[in-house]
Amino acid sequence: EAQVTQNPRYLITVTGKKLTVTCSQNMNHEYMSWYRQDPGLGLRQIYYSMNVEVTDKGDVPEGYKVSRKEKRNFPLILESPSPNQTSLYFCASSLSGTGPEAFFGQGTRLTVV
Amino acid sequence: GESVGLHLPTLSVQEGDNSIINCAYSNSASDYFIWYKQESGKGPQFIIDIRSNMDKRQGQRVTVLLNKTVKHLSLQIAATQPGDSAVYFCAENNNAGNMLTFGGGTRLMVKP
Repeated sequence: EAQVTQNPRYLITVTGKKLTVTCSQNMNHEYMSWYRQDPGLGLRQIYYSMNVEVTDKGDVPEGYKVSRKEKRNFPLILESPSPNQTSLYFCASSLSGTGPEAFFGQGTRLTVV
Repeated sequence: GESVGLHLPTLSVQEGDNSIINCAYSNSASDYFIWYKQESGKGPQFIIDIRSNMDKRQGQRVTVLLNKTVKHLSLQIAATQPGDSAVYFCAENNNAGNMLTFGGGTRLMVKP
């Protein structure tokens, strides 16, 4: 089954404690990206990756890091989480950047206290 | 499930009626547009897309209209069903083709 898998689904952490949210896709897609979704603000792109070892900032990259060492995985790293990073996070993948991001993960609800 | 937004515009329609969801986009250079559906507790799901060289595209029960003059996009759902209840987002893809910018979303509620 074609899917994008995020882990964990729910996470509560404390300010400053480094965390990683994993994202994996099994469709051999080149393009992957991370979004955060907040009430009243919709979905905002954090980072995206056009291919292995190629990553670029989206609209709201501050406080986040990503890596793309292999095609299927695109982890989101918060080196020092802060309460304003409390949000719902989605990973997405598509065949190419100019095509529809047809596959989103189920989301990760992160709470930073 | 996860709540998407507390203060989204809401469209309430009777089952069987047609629905029209509107979206204004910001970047006149955007050349590709997508509509997504997001149900409670799930990630956005692709519905239909349209490129800027078109003004209309039809899917199975959905039609997207694009008016580049006023930077307006609409999604029409024919014979709306209870399963169509969700939040709908439009997204625009800029000329670089690498980033999607999402609108704030509209909640569609279908009354049986």
